[in-house]
Amino acid sequence: GAGVSQSPSNKVTEKGKDVELRCDPISGHTALYWYRQRLGQGLEFLIYFQGNSAPDKSGLPSDRFSAERTGESVSTLTIQRTQQEDSAVYLCASRLKGQNYGYTFGSGTRLTVV
Amino acid sequence: AQSVTQLDSQVPVFEEAPVELRCNYSSSVSVYLFWYVQYPNQGLQLLLKYLSGSTLVKGINGFEAEFNKSQTSFHLRKPSVHISDTAEYFCAVSDSTGFGNEKLTFGTGTRLTIIP
Repeated sequence: GAGVSQSPSNKVTEKGKDVELRCDPISGHTALYWYRQRLGQGLEFLIYFQGNSAPDKSGLPSDRFSAERTGESVSTLTIQRTQQEDSAVYLCASRLKGQNYGYTFGSGTRLTVV
Repeated sequence: AQSVTQLDSQVPVFEEAPVELRCNYSSSVSVYLFWYVQYPNQGLQLLLKYLSGSTLVKGINGFEAEFNKSQTSFHLRKPSVHISDTAEYFCAVSDSTGFGNEKLTFGTGTRLTIIP
């Protein structure tokens, strides 16, 4: 596609439920990143994919968070047993391997845990 | 590992006045530097980037930034701001060596408010 697509754009969930967030990167972009932006704060790195492997998961805040990627395509970020502190905007970005300056960000998924 | 410091969390500026948003970084390796803008309820948009070469980088919407290696700074400037510049501005760095995962490390952001 022309840009990075994320769905849903907004998600309201009850505390304790599981949620799945989706990211469709730009076609051909082998590198994919997930970030979290809490209200009034900067972006926190969560996880990096190169193809379908995740060499850097260092930013995942707990074992309730997991992510997977199918080939060099769609990625899903899953949060189990959501807590109120998980409320944030989750942003996805992709880029071509080797072009470590050409990041394209999606519009994000705003997650609200009530 | 890299880190980014944006000392000013909020900057109010009168319309048509100049502005400077400060960014300092720390890194043990060479870096690329970026400024992103986030308008209300929108995603991140790249303003400008420094990869190599001239230390003065020009971006969109009349913004420019200067890379100062000795001071490890990458301050963003605009000579005359407009109401439409009201937004959150993020400074970011990434490893330029080609051996890392090239993730972006962001500062905490500066909220620029233009006063009519």
